[in-house]
Amino acid sequence: AQKITQTQPGMFVQEKEAVTLDCTYDTSDPSYGLFWYKQPSSGEMIFLIYQGSYDQQNATEGRYSLNFQKARKSANLVISASQLGDSAMYFCAMRERGNFNKFYFGSGTKLNVKP
Amino acid sequence: GAGVSQTPSNKVTEKGKYVELRCDPISGHTALYWYRQSLGQGPEFLIYFQGTGAADDSGLPNDRFFAVRPEGSVSTLKIQRTERGDSAVYLCASSGGGQETQYFGPGTRLLVL
Repeated sequence: AQKITQTQPGMFVQEKEAVTLDCTYDTSDPSYGLFWYKQPSSGEMIFLIYQGSYDQQNATEGRYSLNFQKARKSANLVISASQLGDSAMYFCAMRERGNFNKFYFGSGTKLNVKP
Repeated sequence: GAGVSQTPSNKVTEKGKYVELRCDPISGHTALYWYRQSLGQGPEFLIYFQGTGAADDSGLPNDRFFAVRPEGSVSTLKIQRTERGDSAVYLCASSGGGQETQYFGPGTRLLVL
C-alpha cells in the first residue's frame, strides 16, 4: 500500500485566496512525523511545515498550516493568501519512528497561482 | 553557503559509463540521505548514512549503485554501467542537531543517452 497519497495532480488558485492540498497517509506505527515540502521549478526541495503524531495542535508556519486529522489519517496543507511565488510542486512526506531512516514521499501536487 | 550543495548540477553521460555524484551536507549534520526523483514523481529513498556508515541502503535499486561517506561529511553516489533508466534527478539531504526535518540540496540532473 502507498504510504503517502496525494490525489490532486494539479490545482489552480486565484492570487490572495486560500488553497488546501490533500494528503492521506498509511501507517501502523503510533509515532510518526508528517512533513510538507515545496519544490519550485528550480528543483530544490524546501521544507515548509512539520506535524508530529502526538502533537495536540495543528502546526502553523506563517501562511502555512497543517490540518491534521489523525483518525482519518489526513494531513492537508492549507496555504492562506496565495502568492504568485507559491506556484510550485508540493510534496507530503512521512517518517515513522520504527523506521526512522526513511522518508516516504507522495507523488506531489502542482499548484498554479493565477494573477 | 550554509545549505546542502551538490555537484555537478547536470551530468550527461553515455549508456555504460561510470558516474559519480557528490553531496556536501550542512556542517555538523550527521545524517545524510540520497534520493532519486523521476519526472513527475516524489523523491524515492536510496540510502541513508549516519556518520560514516551506511545505516540503511535498502533503497539502492541494484548493485550498480554504491555510495560512500568516508569521513562522515561529504558523500559520493557512484553508478556503474549506467542505463537510460537511471536518468533522473538525484537529491541529497542532511539532518541533525535533533531536528526532525531534513534539508535538501539542489540536486544533480543525470541524463544517460
